[in-house]
Amino acid sequence: QVQLQESGPGLVKPSETLSLTCAVSGYSISSGYCWEWIRQPPGKGLEWIGSIHHSGRTSYKPSLKSRVAISVDTSKNQFSLKLSSVTAADTAVYYCARRPVNFNWFDPWGQGTLVTVSS
Amino acid sequence: QSVLTQPPSVSGAPGQRVTISCTRSSSNFGAGYDVHWYQQLPGTAPKLLISDNTHRPSGVPDRFSGSKSGTSASLAITGLQAEDEADYYCQSYDNSLSGWVFGGGTKLTVL
Repeated sequence: QVQLQESGPGLVKPSETLSLTCAVSGYSISSGYCWEWIRQPPGKGLEWIGSIHHSGRTSYKPSLKSRVAISVDTSKNQFSLKLSSVTAADTAVYYCARRPVNFNWFDPWGQGTLVTVSS
Repeated sequence: QSVLTQPPSVSGAPGQRVTISCTRSSSNFGAGYDVHWYQQLPGTAPKLLISDNTHRPSGVPDRFSGSKSGTSASLAITGLQAEDEADYYCQSYDNSLSGWVFGGGTKLTVL
């Protein structure tokens, strides 16, 4: 059974870089699938951030593209999100998820981690 | 404004049937992009409920069903139960954004 678990600082200062990691268990990340980041501001809806193909190819939401970087560490079976120049608008629960390469749905999801941007 | 439009809320009594709509103004649906549905129980991560418009993943009760026609998709829940009280999101691919989009979410209240 595949499981995903997000980790990283819960508090980030404005203008700094948010860094999160998603550890994958039960499946080798280099074997297939795309690996996704999605966020949810408190009390609001879901927003797709970006994804990385198991080959390393990335895709980002255009409005975030200049600030986002997603990478994979196959030796640790995990993938990471970096979001630079954060503001209060980036405060959200950040989820990682898996997506089949030729399909457009996300399953499973990690439990999510709240990141607050505040000085 | 969400690319996919859902009603903010719906409600129903136990045992009743409710539907949640998901409408896209562009030809996204017509281009064959599938719609998927997620259930988010309070304080938890979203869970895939319906994939590819109509498919129920293993473990999802058959009280949940999805459909798609033209530029609209719908999630139907029959035999409403108290534990169905949650937020429901539709999701699809958007060609103009070259990425994935979610509806704004619908809060289901079981009366």
